[in-house]
Amino acid sequence: EAGVAQSPRYKIIEKRQSVAFWCNPISGHATLYWYQQILGQGPKLLIQFQNNGVVDDSQLPKDRFSAERLKGVDSTLKIQPAKLEDSAVYLCASSYGLEAPGANVLTFGAGSRLTVL
Amino acid sequence: DAKTTQPNSMESNEEEPVHLPCNHSTISGTDYIHWYRQLPSQGPEYVIHGLTSNVNNRMASLAIAEDRKSSTLILHRATLRDAAVYYCILRDLKYGNKLVFGAGTILRVKS
Repeated sequence: EAGVAQSPRYKIIEKRQSVAFWCNPISGHATLYWYQQILGQGPKLLIQFQNNGVVDDSQLPKDRFSAERLKGVDSTLKIQPAKLEDSAVYLCASSYGLEAPGANVLTFGAGSRLTVL
Repeated sequence: DAKTTQPNSMESNEEEPVHLPCNHSTISGTDYIHWYRQLPSQGPEYVIHGLTSNVNNRMASLAIAEDRKSSTLILHRATLRDAAVYYCILRDLKYGNKLVFGAGTILRVKS
């Protein structure tokens, strides 16, 4: 089966500019996650979707970050305006729905590396 | 979220077994123990998970202490491709199925 697709793989922007990342999860996976991974740290969950509804966005800096999953498939994460501390790898992951067999396993994409200058 | 404690780093020789420890003294009865690993420049990948009994799969074995306050991930024969950061995570499916990562253990494999 095809994996989780993310784009772009790399992005360099200046502070105060905006950027958007796209994620296409594994077909049939109802749950989608966005994580932020700063160099040398473990990934931090930003937002979790179940189909097109938000399950958890408690760690999302809502003054500058936004995410949507309009049709319950693809998702976009946007940062506007970017700050220096947003430099990180943004990881998308997906899994089956909460009640489905195999719900335990998340599949991650390769990530989108953002550098803010 | 319940917390885990792992060594910052470990080193192993190629072709030898590796035992990666994880302490989780505050584990609750419904917490599953999950292991993921992250190879350089890649996203994390699932390794194994368990609740109470020891588990084996093609990648590794998971040994869970009887009181569940600790567990050990066992790689039976380490290869250079096993060099990665290994994350031990407690996960309660009642709370949204999310994974909360710590800093993990950096495993270095020497040839």
